[in-house]
Amino acid sequence: QKEVEQNSGPLSVPEGAIASLNCTYSDRVSQSFFWYRQYSGKSPELIMSIYSNGDKEDGRFTAQLNKASQYVSLLIRDSQPSDSATYLCAVDNTGGFKTIFGAGTRLFVKA
Amino acid sequence: DADVTQTPRNRITKTGKRIMLECSQTKGHDRMYWYRQDPGLGLRLIYYSFDVKDINKGEISDGYSVSRQAQAKFSLSLESAIPNQTALYFCATSDKDPSSYNEQFFGPGTRLTVL
Repeated sequence: QKEVEQNSGPLSVPEGAIASLNCTYSDRVSQSFFWYRQYSGKSPELIMSIYSNGDKEDGRFTAQLNKASQYVSLLIRDSQPSDSATYLCAVDNTGGFKTIFGAGTRLFVKA
Repeated sequence: DADVTQTPRNRITKTGKRIMLECSQTKGHDRMYWYRQDPGLGLRLIYYSFDVKDINKGEISDGYSVSRQAQAKFSLSLESAIPNQTALYFCATSDKDPSSYNEQFFGPGTRLTVL
């Protein structure tokens, strides 16, 4: 079992819709959870961090964390073509000593 | 100016050659990392350094070595390059302050091709 799992996609949504990206992790002691956006050929860019159970909103982005289910998700409201990218879920499970990245979910937003 | 820079941005080399990839940062972070990215495999940690005197192996360190020349500089070397080291390499930094939760900031990447 991979430590951080994501559906590779591609996930295709129409412009203006809500895109829902999901991630599961295996280590129950994980403490910090991140979503990075990566455009093709570019470097990952941090877009959301979440540390406590529940929802965290930042503009059009909402991160959701459920530690009991070992599940973290990212919702993108009013999706735009510019949101088309690969979204990497990352989990820090050693108190800051190492971050594990999922393989990413490719998102396409159709105009 | 970019906070995390990597040189070179692209490199093509031959099997058996020694290659050095360099990373510099102006973010003032103590922690620096080297990752490689392959299609379908995500980012995999090669080495990480929490300060100038602290260097640790990641999950795929075989065939690689590193040097932390200063707080701001962290170099990755391939002593004898082989074709399966063809990948996109990223340097990243993070703040040691616990309140930063180890959020990482990435350089632009180096695309390395070993023929």
